[in-house]
Amino acid sequence: DVKVTQSSRYLVKRTGEKVFLECVQDMDHENMFWYRQDPGLGLRLIYFSYDVKMKEKGDIPEGYSVSREKKERFSLILESASTNQTSMYLCASTLTTSSYEQYFGPGTRLTVT
Amino acid sequence: AQKVTQAQTEISVVEKEDVTLDCVYETRDTTYYLFWYKQPPSGELVFLIRRNSFDEQNEISGRYSWNFQKSTSSFNFTITASQVVDSAVYFCALTPAGGYQKVTFGIGTKLQVIP
Repeated sequence: DVKVTQSSRYLVKRTGEKVFLECVQDMDHENMFWYRQDPGLGLRLIYFSYDVKMKEKGDIPEGYSVSREKKERFSLILESASTNQTSMYLCASTLTTSSYEQYFGPGTRLTVT
Repeated sequence: AQKVTQAQTEISVVEKEDVTLDCVYETRDTTYYLFWYKQPPSGELVFLIRRNSFDEQNEISGRYSWNFQKSTSSFNFTITASQVVDSAVYFCALTPAGGYQKVTFGIGTKLQVIP
């Protein structure tokens, strides 16, 4: 079974802090994704990566950056956390560009106070 | 631009009832994929089905069935004889075929099955 893990299930940070959310997949997947999930808005794509050191902006990249130094790890960075970034963050991966089926991690619920 | 509409935000049914979750999509792509995912209370989205735009055949998997109609741009999901374990948020999603997978999700339908 594919396993996608996220570093924390719950996180509380203060406004202005730099926040790192880590995601690791153990099945040599090429593509990795970061979404945020908000009530009434569904899942929105923040960034995705189709290879090591490669990244593409999703629909809502503002206020976020990402890092993919190793194939199995994809990090989401909030440079200066703000209260409007309080959300559920979901990481996902797919085997290849043509495989499409996304495997999701359990999510990190981030609260910025 | 792609769009996925799930008009039903919340549905409640009594156990053993059948329930249909609606999904309507918009895309300019000629080839695309449609998906359904389930998000149980634990939070982790689970893949249920993928359908290619060329394949309009309905699919059945146990108590689950999916009806894809290109003419109405709909991809509806029916649960027959619902069970309490079906309680979850269900997401419909869409992505163009080929290239990088920028998936568009609907806002989700929360299904509550009452015992």
